[in-house]
Amino acid sequence: AQSVSQHNHHVILSEAASLELGCNYSYGGTVNLFWYVQYPGQHLQLLLKYFSGDPLVKGIKGFEAEFIKSKFSFNLRKPSVQWSDTAEYFCAVGDSGGGADGLTFGKGTHLIIQP
Amino acid sequence: GAVVSQHPSRVICKSGTSVKIECRSLDFQATTMFWYRQFPKKSLMLMATSNEGSKATYEQGVEKDKFLINHASLTLSTLTVTSAHPEDSSFYICSARGRLRGYEQYFGPGTRLTVT
Repeated sequence: AQSVSQHNHHVILSEAASLELGCNYSYGGTVNLFWYVQYPGQHLQLLLKYFSGDPLVKGIKGFEAEFIKSKFSFNLRKPSVQWSDTAEYFCAVGDSGGGADGLTFGKGTHLIIQP
Repeated sequence: GAVVSQHPSRVICKSGTSVKIECRSLDFQATTMFWYRQFPKKSLMLMATSNEGSKATYEQGVEKDKFLINHASLTLSTLTVTSAHPEDSSFYICSARGRLRGYEQYFGPGTRLTVT
């Protein structure tokens, strides 16, 4: 069975600080990896995804993530955060078989950016 | 991106009654729809997967007789919580995936169910 672990449940940063949110997964096979963001009162939105190829993935709003297979990690980064990045961030893993499997989510990281 | 809607956004019902939640893909054909449950301050938990025209596949520990899922068309899936109890109060989120969308899941805005 898949599992996803997000290391930080709450992160508070000042604007312009750099961000790194940790995500580790466990799964015996090949996986697809995702980061989703949920802004207050809004639905989940995809930030970025990794299926194959370049392990450094660039997403929307200046976010990027690096897949390190040997560490089973897919950490999310942003060099300079903004107040509008305040949200809940979820790492998720899916079976790369492209079949019918749903996603397994981490517990989320609540990010607060202080002006 | 693709749009997925859910209706209602909030519902309050009494114990013992049934509630139906709709999930619609508005601009693409969803061959697969997923239902998740999100507990307060916790992650989303996959409840079931439904493919259009076939029976839903439920995750371990999810009662199929309590959470009835129907995926009658390529744009609509419904989740019916039968004989609801206060412990069923939660945030229910659906997602949809279609072949032409590269198997990416698009999430609905969620439905807040409160059972009194």
